[in-house]
Amino acid sequence: GAVVSQHPSRVICKSGTSVKIECRSLDFQATTMFWYRQFPKQSLMLMATSNEGSKATYEQGVEKDKFLINHASLTLSTLTVTSAHPEDSSFYICSARNQGRGNQPQHFGDGTRLSIL
Amino acid sequence: GQSLEQPSEVTAVEGAIVQINCTYQTSGFYGLSWYQQHDGGAPTFLSYNALDGLEETGRFSSFLSRSDSYGYLLLQELQMKDSASYFCAVRGHGQGGKLIFGQGTELSVKP
Repeated sequence: GAVVSQHPSRVICKSGTSVKIECRSLDFQATTMFWYRQFPKQSLMLMATSNEGSKATYEQGVEKDKFLINHASLTLSTLTVTSAHPEDSSFYICSARNQGRGNQPQHFGDGTRLSIL
Repeated sequence: GQSLEQPSEVTAVEGAIVQINCTYQTSGFYGLSWYQQHDGGAPTFLSYNALDGLEETGRFSSFLSRSDSYGYLLLQELQMKDSASYFCAVRGHGQGGKLIFGQGTELSVKP
């Protein structure tokens, strides 16, 4: 079964709306989670590393004020796309790894397809 | 920085064997992973190599040569359902092991 849950799976909204995406680790605690963005026919681009109890670490070129990340608990990270515009339309995916169990792979949520009209 | 190269597309027939290569350049290396992604879906984990050699998981195998900064994914007895994008990804040191992905190889399996 799924080890990482992501919600919602799809969002369609008007330009200027802020959208919150949740990522939950199931059955394990994740002090670190990752947020990726994927445009059609392209690779997954790491946006930021979400750190429980501290500020997220953003990759170069990613606006931290545009993509707000909150990792308030050991099982939940949220990504808020603020004042979304059509160019923010993309597939957003989170991932987490069970760091408490040795060499475990990253598991991904099912992704959120965001469409801004 | 980190960069990975893999072929953009590969075509093969059902029942065949296909190898998808990946070369990487990294400032820190902590293993090479392979993920499969079907259209519209999330990436699913296939295989991981931290040490040199071959890892076998059913019809899928993955190989790593750290001295050559090279790895490959081998898919045997291809099935139509194997048509998907395949990504190699490097795991860096620290920060919980963030993954940097290659551009992906689109595999088309023909009857």
